[in-house]
Amino acid sequence: IAGITQAPTSQILAAGRRMTLRCTQDMRHNAMYWYRQDLGLGLRLIHYSNTAGTTGKGEVPDGYSVSRANTDDFPLTLASAVPSQTSVYFCASSESGRRNEQFFGPGTRLTVL
Amino acid sequence: GENVEQHPSTLSVQEGDSAVIKCTYSDSASNYFPWYKQELGKRPQLIIDIRSNVGEKKDQRIAVTLNKTAKHFSLHITETQPEDSAVYFCAASSPEYGNKLVFGAGTILRVKS
Repeated sequence: IAGITQAPTSQILAAGRRMTLRCTQDMRHNAMYWYRQDLGLGLRLIHYSNTAGTTGKGEVPDGYSVSRANTDDFPLTLASAVPSQTSVYFCASSESGRRNEQFFGPGTRLTVL
Repeated sequence: GENVEQHPSTLSVQEGDSAVIKCTYSDSASNYFPWYKQELGKRPQLIIDIRSNVGEKKDQRIAVTLNKTAKHFSLHITETQPEDSAVYFCAASSPEYGNKLVFGAGTILRVKS
């Protein structure tokens, strides 16, 4: 693994189904983030984690949950998907402290029908 | 919390001309202002950033200026080329918001050859 990866690349999901988007980084970054990207709305923060074992809510957390069991992995779960969660999801990571540069994964395109 | 507004939403320029994208932010404590470029179907990537202790930063054909008093910052691209065509996002980060990035809605830049 080099950098930050996401899986799956894309997914079509029936409403009401449970779905977990995976994110893994090998840069030993402490902080990780999940964003959704919708046309005209930019990147909106869903959840974040400043370090393993801690998580926090972003701007649009409803309907999503995260966990951070270790430094490398930061999965995002949709417990019961709804059509409004159709979006492109990006995971990102950064070093903690003053260095704020975030490195993004390739994204997951999710369609909820 | 922080709010970032970005203008224009779309910008078309002739190859060789300059392009300017402007952002305003609301939190006077914000101290880090990155710009990301996102090509079609790709992930956002950092192209330049500036911290609040400087007023201008330049990297080859791109530059960023910051006016802390007015709470706005701008991206300047000179001698535009077709490969500059992309979506550009500004962002702001404040220690009062846990150093998380708040993004603008994005600007679609088209460079016509």
